Amino acid sequence: NAGVTQTPKFQVLKTGQSMTLQCAQDMNHNSMYWYRQDPGMGLRLIYYSASEGTTDKGEVPNGYNVSRLNKREFSLRLESAAPSQTSVYFCASRGGQREQYFGPGTRLTVT
Amino acid sequence: GENVEQHPSTLSVQEGDSAVIKCTYSDSASNYFPWYKQELGKRPQLIIDIRSNVGEKKDQRIAVTLNKTAKHFSLHITETQPEDSAVYFCAATLYSSASKIIFGSGTRLSIRP
Repeated sequence: NAGVTQTPKFQVLKTGQSMTLQCAQDMNHNSMYWYRQDPGMGLRLIYYSASEGTTDKGEVPNGYNVSRLNKREFSLRLESAAPSQTSVYFCASRGGQREQYFGPGTRLTVT
Repeated sequence: GENVEQHPSTLSVQEGDSAVIKCTYSDSASNYFPWYKQELGKRPQLIIDIRSNVGEKKDQRIAVTLNKTAKHFSLHITETQPEDSAVYFCAATLYSSASKIIFGSGTRLSIRP
């Protein structure tokens, strides 16, 4: 099993550009999450999806949209990137065992 | 919604000594309290968790205690080793896998040789 995978690993955007971060899990988990981690900071929840077809806002949803495409995939979209969105983005999933599994992260820089 | 406060933000201990990290939570409905370790440049990984129906759980050198009345829980690491150097995060949530998970702000633990 690959666990939780994220693409891309690194990305540089100019202010105003858009992009989609992809996340997939192969553990048949119902819940999936997107977090951002600023340098030296904690993990802040952007959006989560408790099951296929549902999404809910977390602590810092402004400037982001999400899509739970199917049970495996949960994407995060930045419509108009801003320097304040420079961060490392982690996707995570959670299933019946309750442990949350994280992906390797996407390091995003907005100039 | 849930709010989790974590202290201290940084902690430096001598190798072999114990380290304690404390968290408080606001939502009395929370009943599942995981702790994650994040090494530099890596993803967070679960190291121990506790449910609200128990007051303490131990796994080798790490233990977690929970005081549900006071809404406090703590991570204890004994006989610290260099490989314990990392950032530790606590969280409070519902045991249901459908719940959102809010993390504390993290503690950077450094082990001095």
